[in-house]
Amino acid sequence: GESVGLHLPTLSVQEGDNSIINCAYSNSASDYFIWYKQESGKGPQFIIDIRSNMDKRQGQRVTVLLNKTVKHLSLQIAATQPGDSAVYFCAESSNTGNQFYFGTGTSLTVIP
Amino acid sequence: NAGVTQTPKFQVLKTGQSMTLQCAQDMNHEYMSWYRQDPGMGLRLIHYSVGAGITDQGEVPNGYNVSRSTTEDFPLRLLSAAPSQTSVYFCASSYSVQGYEQYFGPGTRLTVT
Repeated sequence: GESVGLHLPTLSVQEGDNSIINCAYSNSASDYFIWYKQESGKGPQFIIDIRSNMDKRQGQRVTVLLNKTVKHLSLQIAATQPGDSAVYFCAESSNTGNQFYFGTGTSLTVIP
Repeated sequence: NAGVTQTPKFQVLKTGQSMTLQCAQDMNHEYMSWYRQDPGMGLRLIHYSVGAGITDQGEVPNGYNVSRSTTEDFPLRLLSAAPSQTSVYFCASSYSVQGYEQYFGPGTRLTVT
């Protein structure tokens, strides 16, 4: 099976600081990656995606970086706010399959 | 536009009972999927469908059946519930597998005693 893992299970940051959440994957055929945010008691919510032909993609206050050499991607959240407190998951798929594989998640806590 | 809806929100079953978790979407999405989420873990794919009449197995399909008779609906059936199936179940949909946002439902919390 696939292996999508996160380096740190929990992360605490001060409000206003930048947050970086990391994710490692093992399948070299993975070519599409998504970051999700899951608030307590809710379903995951799409944040940002990136294809393997890109190294970086920016959204509103979020940036995803992809390093295919070491099979690593990260999610950067700028000026972290209390509303960013949630569990963040990375997920990946390959163009040879129709399945997504999720990591175990990182719990982000923003300290006011 | 209701998005992805799931019923019921909560369910308690006894071992050996069967039931169907309902999932519907009104966005005309072709791709639908079912995941289970266990405490402290990510989501694991149970079954998925790339269109009406087409279903396939995911990572953890044992003990579950699905069907896709319409584009809108994708029910998940537990054939004979076991305590190991205690979990939170999420349904998701998107236009396609890649390149399109997956929308998740609110989840069904299932307890099997």
